[in-house]
Amino acid sequence: GIQVEQSPPDLILQEGANSTLRCNFSDSVNNLQWFHQNPWGQLINLFYIPSGTKQNGRLSATTVATERYSLLYISSSQTTDSGVYFCAVLDGGSQGNLIFGKGTKLSVKP
Amino acid sequence: GAGVSQSPSNKVTEKGKDVELRCDPISGHTALYWYRQRLGQGLEFLIYFQGNSAPDKSGLPSDRFSAERTGESVSTLTIQRTQQEDSAVYLCASSLKGGGALHFGNGTRLTVT
Repeated sequence: GIQVEQSPPDLILQEGANSTLRCNFSDSVNNLQWFHQNPWGQLINLFYIPSGTKQNGRLSATTVATERYSLLYISSSQTTDSGVYFCAVLDGGSQGNLIFGKGTKLSVKP
Repeated sequence: GAGVSQSPSNKVTEKGKDVELRCDPISGHTALYWYRQRLGQGLEFLIYFQGNSAPDKSGLPSDRFSAERTGESVSTLTIQRTQQEDSAVYLCASSLKGGGALHFGNGTRLTVT
């Protein structure tokens, strides 16, 4: 099945800094999503981005499907950005089996 | 409500007992997903429902696990004869259509003692 690798596994930032999180996947995909899990466990969908670039406030994401990677950019980080960021791609043989990476744990220090 | 609702939020049960977890998807969402997340780990796919199609059960870890969905509404995940290894957060999500943007509930934290 498709493999999803995220890097870095852990990231510590000072408030106000920018960061880039990466998601590599082993096969072509037509469905890629980014999620943020806050320290209380709540999962929020950030982007549905099978290709191209999208922006939402201080966050933006770019997926280059032909090169099998996606990037999540966080600008001017805030302490509320702390948590785990997951990328997930659809398993080609299924309409519902979204395969999650192991996540990047982000800690933003005041 | 506007979001995915799961109940109970916490469940403590004794080993060997059966448990039933409930998920109310966002109204109008045809697709519903169950995932499991062990402490400090990523999400593990369990089962997927899409409309009236046969569910994708490929992620269910054993025959102790089963799930049902009533039409395009409520779903229940049942774990029979619970084991300590079943302790985890069980997350439900829904999307407008299969493969669409997933919206998660807050999960049910299951502890098997």
